[in-house]
Amino acid sequence: AQTVTQSQPEMSVQEAETVTLSCTYDTSENNYYLFWYKQPPSRQMILVIRQEAYKQQNATENRFSVNFQKAAKSFSLKISDSQLGDTAMYFCAFMKVAGNQFYFGTGTSLTVIP
Amino acid sequence: EPEVTQTPSHQVTQMGQEVILRCVPISNHLYFYWYRQILGQKVEFLVSFYNNEISEKSEIFDDQFSVERPDGSNFTLKIRSTKLEDSAMYFCASRRGTGGLAGYEQYFGPGTRLTVT
Repeated sequence: AQTVTQSQPEMSVQEAETVTLSCTYDTSENNYYLFWYKQPPSRQMILVIRQEAYKQQNATENRFSVNFQKAAKSFSLKISDSQLGDTAMYFCAFMKVAGNQFYFGTGTSLTVIP
Repeated sequence: EPEVTQTPSHQVTQMGQEVILRCVPISNHLYFYWYRQILGQKVEFLVSFYNNEISEKSEIFDDQFSVERPDGSNFTLKIRSTKLEDSAMYFCASRRGTGGLAGYEQYFGPGTRLTVT
């Protein structure tokens, strides 16, 4: 079974600063996909960034980047130049290549302080 | 940009009643999903649907639940006899299923908040 762990239930960061959200997972699969989703107060789930496990290069999307450590089964999200609109719950998700479902972590509630 | 839509946004029902939650996935997507999120908890997988049949379901998805794609656009989740513990936000999602990593990205609808009284 796949499990995803987000050990930081809540975090806060000053506007314009950088914050890192952690995510670890447990799997016996060698190839899989990893995602970070953002859930603002509206509760809509919005994709932030995605990563293929067989790619060494860390994914980057504007102010968002990941630190993917496959051996350590770690997939952390770094948000640079934090903005007030980044305030949301962030979920890490895992999916097997031949799989059908996302396995979500318990989420990290991020608050950006003006 | 195409998006997944869900109706209603909020449904209130009495315990024991049947409810149908509706979703319109993105038109060229092949895989469809239902997830639920009890307030303050993580998002949990319920069921996946491909090629007009269930491809995977979780332990939560018992005989009280069913899914259907009655036409080429709608994807529904039915709960036959609702219980108090079914109160949650229900998310529909779809994905393309082709095109490498992008085909695995799931697009979520805005959710239906179900309240069982």
